[in-house]
Amino acid sequence: GQQLNQSPQSMFIQEGEDVSMNCTSSSIFNTWLWYKQDPGEGPVLLIALYKAGELTSNGRLTAQFGITRKDSFLNISASIPSDVGIYFCAGHNFNKFYFGSGTKLNVKP
Amino acid sequence: KAGVTQTPRYLIKTRGQQVTLSCSPISGHRSVSWYQQTPGQGLQFLFEYFSETQRNKGNFPGRFSGRQFSNSRSEMNVSTLELGDSALYLCASSLDPRGGLSGELFFGEGSRLTVL
Repeated sequence: GQQLNQSPQSMFIQEGEDVSMNCTSSSIFNTWLWYKQDPGEGPVLLIALYKAGELTSNGRLTAQFGITRKDSFLNISASIPSDVGIYFCAGHNFNKFYFGSGTKLNVKP
Repeated sequence: KAGVTQTPRYLIKTRGQQVTLSCSPISGHRSVSWYQQTPGQGLQFLFEYFSETQRNKGNFPGRFSGRQFSNSRSEMNVSTLELGDSALYLCASSLDPRGGLSGELFFGEGSRLTVL
């Protein structure tokens, strides 16, 4: 299916640093979702966003639904080693879900 | 409440064989979708079922098929397996997002298929 534009593809950071990643699309979405996936496991839903401009937090994670409804970003503050994994976004409209290609996060202790 | 359950978690098959994967959605979720995930291609949509009907289909050959039962449980089948079918197959469930309501998508842990 259609892929969202997610960046960066990978990040190498030091423990304690903040991280930011984003997804953009040419299409408007009604919902933006952010997932984390560990190797060999299924994606786990981190945050769901439903309204343009909405800013939602889940612990050290904060995500925003862009006001144009065509983009979203995810921030992770004060990263820790267990944040390692692949993060990807999903957008939903017209009964379909579209996915970003993922951001691989590496955290160095 | 219990999450999305997929079985088996791991399986090894040889070329030409067929495989059936099973998925039990979250209780109350009526939409079940299937995805193939490979390192190079990311998440690729296979198909989506709602009320035992296939509602959407991705661009996969006819060797890939699925069905949904009246209790919303779903199975997917891949016939005449090829080496390139080796992948993590993910099932996801959601409340019916029709009618203008947007939904959340919950994934199972996946079935890791290796074709030798």
